Amino acid sequence: NAGVMQNPRHLVRRRGQEARLRCSPMKGHSHVYWYRQLPEEGLKFMVYLQKENIIDESGMPKERFSAEFPKEGPSILRIQQVVRGDSAAYFCASSLSAGEKLFFGSGTQLSVL
Amino acid sequence: DQQVKQNSPSLSVQEGRISILNCDYTNSMFDYFLWYKKYPAEGPTFLISISSIKDKNEDGRFTVFLNKSAKHLSLHIVPSQPGDSAVYFCAANPTGGGNKLTFGTGTQLKVEL
Repeated sequence: NAGVMQNPRHLVRRRGQEARLRCSPMKGHSHVYWYRQLPEEGLKFMVYLQKENIIDESGMPKERFSAEFPKEGPSILRIQQVVRGDSAAYFCASSLSAGEKLFFGSGTQLSVL
Repeated sequence: DQQVKQNSPSLSVQEGRISILNCDYTNSMFDYFLWYKKYPAEGPTFLISISSIKDKNEDGRFTVFLNKSAKHLSLHIVPSQPGDSAVYFCAANPTGGGNKLTFGTGTQLKVEL
């Protein structure tokens, strides 16, 4: 029973490029959350999605960031025109339903040169 | 505004002794609290939780205490084992918050032989 799968594990981008981070939730989970951990900080909520719907995106930066969770395939966190300040660990988590326990993936470490 | 605070970035304890990790919060709307454990290059894993209607919850070697009036919680690990060496995050959730957790900055626990 595979856990939450994130890829890539490490992603290096130059300033101005696009970053795409993928997350496959645990089998049977339809609720996906993205969190970001900046250096020396705790994880911060970004967005909550349920199949094909964005439920809460109150933690997403207003520009350049978007997320989707299509009917088929993984959830994608997309960052356009990356800047150095986007360098962080991005964690995806999934749950069976809204209030159920969260299971986290191993994260994607984004480095912007 | 850091609503969940872990003021000790690191803690070193001898094997077999008790580890006490502390967490303070400021938001009175928080009513559910969780502790996560994180090893390097892995995602956080759920450890133990407590609802605001309780003041103690125990699971094996792990006990969480909640003092609502002081807005303080602590995680006790006894006896501590070398495998407990990890970063421990305190997280909080308001009523109806689903899994939109607010995390502290973490405490690095090192259990020495």
